[in-house]
Formats: sequence, structure tokens, C-alpha cells
Amino acid sequence: AQKVTQAQTEISVVEKEDVTLDCVYETRDTTYYLFWYKQPPSGELVFLIRRNSFDEQNEISGRYSWNFQKSTSSFNFTITASQVVDSAVYFCALDNYGQNFVFGPGTRLSVLP
Amino acid sequence: EPEVTQTPSHQVTQMGQEVILRCVPISNHLYFYWYRQILGQKVEFLVSFYNNEISEKSEIFDDQFSVERPDGSNFTLKIRSTKLEDSAMYFCASMMRTLETQYFGPGTRLLVL
Repeated sequence: AQKVTQAQTEISVVEKEDVTLDCVYETRDTTYYLFWYKQPPSGELVFLIRRNSFDEQNEISGRYSWNFQKSTSSFNFTITASQVVDSAVYFCALDNYGQNFVFGPGTRLSVLP
Repeated sequence: EPEVTQTPSHQVTQMGQEVILRCVPISNHLYFYWYRQILGQKVEFLVSFYNNEISEKSEIFDDQFSVERPDGSNFTLKIRSTKLEDSAMYFCASMMRTLETQYFGPGTRLLVL
């Protein structure tokens, strides 16, 4: 069975601090996608990134970066120089190519001014 | 950019009433999904739909739920006799083909009184 664990339930940081959100997944599949979504207080799911299991290159997009380590089944997300607008719930998710899309429990990030 | 739309954005209903949640997937997509998120909890898979039939459903998707693609553009989720515990945000998603990813709609917030 597929499972996504986000051990950090809530994180609070002060603006401009860097913060890393952890994600550990379990799957028996060798091919799969990993995702991060942001859910602001308004409730919609905002797509941040998709990573294919074949591609272990780390990715950087502005203040966001992702560290995919297949050996430890982790897909961690770092926000550099956090801003108040980054406050949201962040979900990590696993998809075995459309067959089974599983979300983690989410990490609530609060960025304080 | 094409996007998944959902109507209504909010719905309030009385326990025991039937509700229909509507989704318009991205036009050339072939795979359709419904997810549920109870307030403060993680997003949970309900059902997937392809070629006019259900491909997979979770334990949550019991006989009270049904899905339909009545006219080639809409994708609906019907709850026959709503219960208090059906109160949640319902997300629709669509995908073009396998080996791709799902695109989520903005959600419908359902409140059962």
C-alpha cells in the first residue's frame, strides 16, 4: 500500500528564515510521481511541483527548492527567505501514474512577521 | 491556461437531502477523479472514472455516492442522502492520459446541517 508521511504537523518561523518541510513516502512501485501542493486559507490546492521517480535531480524555483532522495524515500521541500504569504498547509503526495493518488497529512506553516 | 472548474463553490444542505456537485474537467482529458477533504484533515481519494465507468473507488465511496459524465463535458458527484459527516471540501481532478498528472479544481465546500 502507498503511504505518505509528513512528520511535522505545524511549523512556525519568523519571516526571512529558511524552512524545510519533510516528506517520506512508501510504495512498492518503481515508477511514480511525487508532488507538493500548497493549500492557503482560501482552501484551493495550488500545484507546486511534480517529480518523476526516474529523475532524482534537485530542483530550484525561485525561493523554493526540492530534494528528492530515492534511497531514503524522501522528497523534502525548502522555502528560502520565507514570507508571510507562504503561510499555508503544504501537502506532499504520491501518484503511481494515475492509479492511486495519496496525500500526506499536511504540514501547517506559519510565517510570522 | 485551461483549468478544471467546479460549481457551486459552496453548498449548504439539510441532512438526508441529495446533492450534486459539478465539475468541468479540462476539455481533452480522459481520466476524472473526486477527492474529499474533511476540515483540517488530509485530502482523500474517492473515485476515479475512465471511459464512462468507475476505474477505482475507495472505501469512502459507498452506495450513497455515484458519479456520472452526463454530457461529455460535465463530471458530477451525487450524494443521495447526505449525512453530517459528508461535510467537507470536494475536489475534482482530471488527467489527459496515463503517465501524466492530475489537475485539480478549486473545490466545492459542502456543509450538511
